[in-house]
Amino acid sequence: ILNVEQSPQSLHVQEGDSTNFTCSFPSSNFYALHWYRWETAKSPEALFVMTLNGDEKKKGRISATLNTKEGYSYLYIKGSQPEDSATYLCASPKGANSKLTFGKGITLSVRP
Amino acid sequence: DGGITQSPKYLFRKEGQNVTLSCEQNLNHDAMYWYRQDPGQGLRLIYYSQIVNDFQKGDIAEGYSVSREKKESFPLTVTSAQKNPTAFYLCASSPTAGANVLTFGAGSRLTVL
Repeated sequence: ILNVEQSPQSLHVQEGDSTNFTCSFPSSNFYALHWYRWETAKSPEALFVMTLNGDEKKKGRISATLNTKEGYSYLYIKGSQPEDSATYLCASPKGANSKLTFGKGITLSVRP
Repeated sequence: DGGITQSPKYLFRKEGQNVTLSCEQNLNHDAMYWYRQDPGQGLRLIYYSQIVNDFQKGDIAEGYSVSREKKESFPLTVTSAQKNPTAFYLCASSPTAGANVLTFGAGSRLTVL
């Protein structure tokens, strides 16, 4: 993996469904992995910053895991709600002093 | 409340004109950034500044210019040399340079007619 990649590109789910996204990143020289949520007409907001292999972080119904050896992170949303509809971005720097490289984002749409 | 203010929110310009997008922060952050977003692409870094009176090119700096005369301000000028200026522009800041968490503004949408 040379860049930060996210899949799928978009996702449509029904209210109450649980869902998950994948972010892949270069495993060499890993420093950190960021997740941001970007709601329409608002600013992107940081969800999680993860640095240690095996890290798991949680904020309400949203949680994320990190595997630095294989270069991926999962973001889970339990019981999706319409207010979870947003674009979810992951980003990783190429080193401690490097700038963030962003994935293309995953757009989630939750139907009531 | 502390945050980042971008203006204008929407901007229309004729081809060949320079335009300047404003970005102001009251977070006392040292580092500031400009990103560009195009449909189907991730955020791409245009310019960044680690400290006042200093800035560096990002991945797609051609056709853009910036200044950092004050800590709280980091304006971006889209020049006539930028071949595809129509895009959504996001400004961000972080406490220090490096791989820190970013605080973003709400963005400016530039449309060149």
